[in-house]
Parts: sequence; C-alpha cells; structure tokens
Amino acid sequence: GDSVTQMEGPVTLSEEAFLTINCTYTATGYPSLFWYVQYPGEGLQLLLKATKADDKGSNKGFEATYRKETTSFHLEKGSVQVSDSAVYFCALSEGAGGTSYGKLTFGQGTILTVHP
Amino acid sequence: DAGITQSPRHKVTETGTPVTLRCHQTENHRYMYWYRQDPGHGLRLIHYSYGVKDTDKGEVSDGYSVSRSKTEDFLLTLESATSSQTSVYFCAISERGGAYEQYFGPGTRLTVT
Repeated sequence: GDSVTQMEGPVTLSEEAFLTINCTYTATGYPSLFWYVQYPGEGLQLLLKATKADDKGSNKGFEATYRKETTSFHLEKGSVQVSDSAVYFCALSEGAGGTSYGKLTFGQGTILTVHP
Repeated sequence: DAGITQSPRHKVTETGTPVTLRCHQTENHRYMYWYRQDPGHGLRLIHYSYGVKDTDKGEVSDGYSVSRSKTEDFLLTLESATSSQTSVYFCAISERGGAYEQYFGPGTRLTVT
C-alpha cells in the first residue's frame, strides 16, 4: 500500500537558519502530495500541496517540489522564525481526480523547534 | 476557520465501555474523515464518509464503527473500548475528494484505563 517516510526528528534550529525536512513516498498511480502543520494544542492545517510532477507548492516562505523521479517532496524554508515551531506532516492522497475520496496517508511527523 | 467542532474534547473511560465521539460541521462539505494520532505513527485513517449514509473503512478500522445520518454529523463509536484505543482523534472535512484541502477539527483526547 501507499506509504510516506519523513526524516527523523526532532529538529532544533536557531532563528533565521535554513530548514529542510525530507519526505519520500511510495504509491501506485499519481498521488497528490501535501505538507500539513500542527501547532501546539491544535488540529492540522494545510501548509502547501502539489498535484503533479515538477509542481512546486509554496506558502508562508515554505516550499516543496514534487519530484517523481526520486519520489520525494522535501520541505524547505530559507529563514525560520520562532513562530514556525510546530509538528510538520508530509502526506499523500490517491490522486487529483474528482472520483477519488481524498484519503490521506501521513508520515510520522517531524517536530521543529526554533530558538531565538 | 472552517466550522468543525468535536465533542467531547477530553474523555477518560474504562476498558470495555462503549464510547461515541461526535464531529459536527457547518460547512456542508460532502466528505468527512476520522483519524487517530499516535506518537511515531503520524495520523492514520479510521473511517471516512463520502455522503449521508455512505461510509467506508480506512487503514485502522478494527474496533470502530461510524454513522452519518445527516450531512453535518459524523459519529465514531468504540463498541468496547480497549487501552490500545487511547489516542487523540481528529475529524476532518473536505468539500471534494482528490487533492482538495482537508480541514481538521481540534481533536478529542481519549484515555482508556
């Protein structure tokens, strides 16, 4: 079945450092890829997504590119802030087609802590 | 923010008792999902619904049942709670399937003693 693997955490950075969180996937067909973020005590919220190969999703300074050849969707940010401290989840769904049910398969999550 | 509420937000129950968690939405979205979140596992899909009275199993459905009698409510029932069902449960909604965004509720923390 489909699966998502994220880099082991936790990740601790100083403010303004460069962030990379690795994500690779295994899936049949052509999945859509997502990054969700969970702030302390809250539910998840969508950070960015990409629905086909070579698409780049971006939001709030975060970026990720859908790489079909390496089955990867790594999350990057050039300069992190204390407010970026959260848990980040990579996820995939069955595909962009309207007939799919949008079931998400998640990675295990990566805890990011940013210090001033 | 999407209008999703979950109740109760916290619950402690004993092994063997039935438990029902409720997800209520005010967005009139067609799709609803129940996930559980456990350390080291991320979130895993329990059940989902693609319309009123239309439901199906997810990855970890054993020991759980669901019902959706109207668009706005999606109920998750643990028929006989076990300690392995101690977890944080999240409901999510989506206007459509596929690559459309899912909006998550605030979660229910369930402890089975």
